[in-house]
Amino acid sequence: GQQVMQIPQYQHVQEGEDFTTYCNSSTTLSNIQWYKQRPGGHPVFLIQLVKSGEVKKQKRLTFQFGEAKKNSSLHITATQTTDVGTYFCAGLGAGGTSYGKLTFGQGTILTVHP
Amino acid sequence: GAVVSQHPSWVICKSGTSVKIECRSLDFQATTMFWYRQFPKQSLMLMATSNEGSKATYEQGVEKDKFLINHASLTLSTLTVTSAHPEDSSFYICSAPGTTRSLDTQYFGPGTRLTVL
Repeated sequence: GQQVMQIPQYQHVQEGEDFTTYCNSSTTLSNIQWYKQRPGGHPVFLIQLVKSGEVKKQKRLTFQFGEAKKNSSLHITATQTTDVGTYFCAGLGAGGTSYGKLTFGQGTILTVHP
Repeated sequence: GAVVSQHPSWVICKSGTSVKIECRSLDFQATTMFWYRQFPKQSLMLMATSNEGSKATYEQGVEKDKFLINHASLTLSTLTVTSAHPEDSSFYICSAPGTTRSLDTQYFGPGTRLTVL
């Protein structure tokens, strides 16, 4: 079945440093979505990328979708303590038995030291 | 944006009892809803796809007789954990697509934290 691998599992940074997490899917995706989950909370939708090679920005966050629609990355510039949390990518299956199903990556736990 | 609610937000029960979790789409209709489970410090794992008016589709390894899903209306899906055991303790989250024409954009409920003693 569809698998989505996400690295790194943990990332500790000093406030002001940059942060990047990467996702790679075993199959071509319809789209890829990114979520942030704070400790004790539920995943909160950040963004969705649909087009091959798409790049989207939200303030200090930059999201990329690979040309083959199988990989993606999230980059945070100049991290702040409010960025702390677990970042998940989730790939939406493009067809067959994976259609409409979100497969989540393992998540990257980000801690930011002030 | 679309809103999905879950009830209860947390529940503690004794081993062997059954627990029902509700997932509601508040301002839109959802013919399909998804149920996920998240163990501590792990990712979300899709358990099943709930389909209004028909049987749910379960992912491999998920016992359909233990996790009963009923999607009785276009705004409500329920997950019943039958004969719950401590290993069923987890965070259960539902999601619903924001439009019946596309499954692309999914909206997540706030989750239900189940603790089985």
